[in-house]
Amino acid sequence: DADVTQTPRNRITKTGKRIMLECSQTKGHDRMYWYRQDPGLGLRLIYYSFDVKDINKGEISDGYSVSRQAQAKFSLSLESAIPNQTALYFCATSGRDEETQYFGPGTRLLVL
Amino acid sequence: AQSVTQPDIHITVSEGASLELRCNYSYGATPYLFWYVQSPGQGLQLLLKYFSGDTLVQGIKGFEAEFKRSQSSFNLRKPSVHWSDAAEYFCAVAKTTDSWGKLQFGAGTQVVVTP
Repeated sequence: DADVTQTPRNRITKTGKRIMLECSQTKGHDRMYWYRQDPGLGLRLIYYSFDVKDINKGEISDGYSVSRQAQAKFSLSLESAIPNQTALYFCATSGRDEETQYFGPGTRLLVL
Repeated sequence: AQSVTQPDIHITVSEGASLELRCNYSYGATPYLFWYVQSPGQGLQLLLKYFSGDTLVQGIKGFEAEFKRSQSSFNLRKPSVHWSDAAEYFCAVAKTTDSWGKLQFGAGTQVVVTP
């Protein structure tokens, strides 16, 4: 089984809808991250969490919110989706004293 | 602010030929350096990383990378590519002064392998 899983893998939604992307990990890591990937821009950090009670904004947090329900679960919400949020979204995890991040398979989101 | 540049957006290479992907970074000190690969429809997989020590780093799938402080570079190489190496490759850096590794990614290089 994969260490970092994301659901759904693909999603189509309409402008103005609320949508939640979920991430779960079995690696026992404290730190979790949400990125979005756009062609030609690489990956950009949306939010990150050191532990359940510690959540921080990344470089492009506007229009997004997150919830860290447990050590193993980190959800990303788009409160009111807009077309320029169409992207590939990745969740990642890392250990407390480890710089390496481990990525999930991604969620492809299309906002119409 | 730190930045990562991958000058080549797209590279086409013949199967069996050598491959070199360039990565340059801008940062006041030596950062932690990473190369990730993203195969079609897949997430990112770590190929190798450099934190300190020997500047030539060996990774998975036959890849290696060399850190050159004087050039602020961390280029990825493979002596003989296989068709399965067709993918997008990302260089990433993390500040060593942070208590955690916030990754800054390059824009990626798409590698196409021809028969």
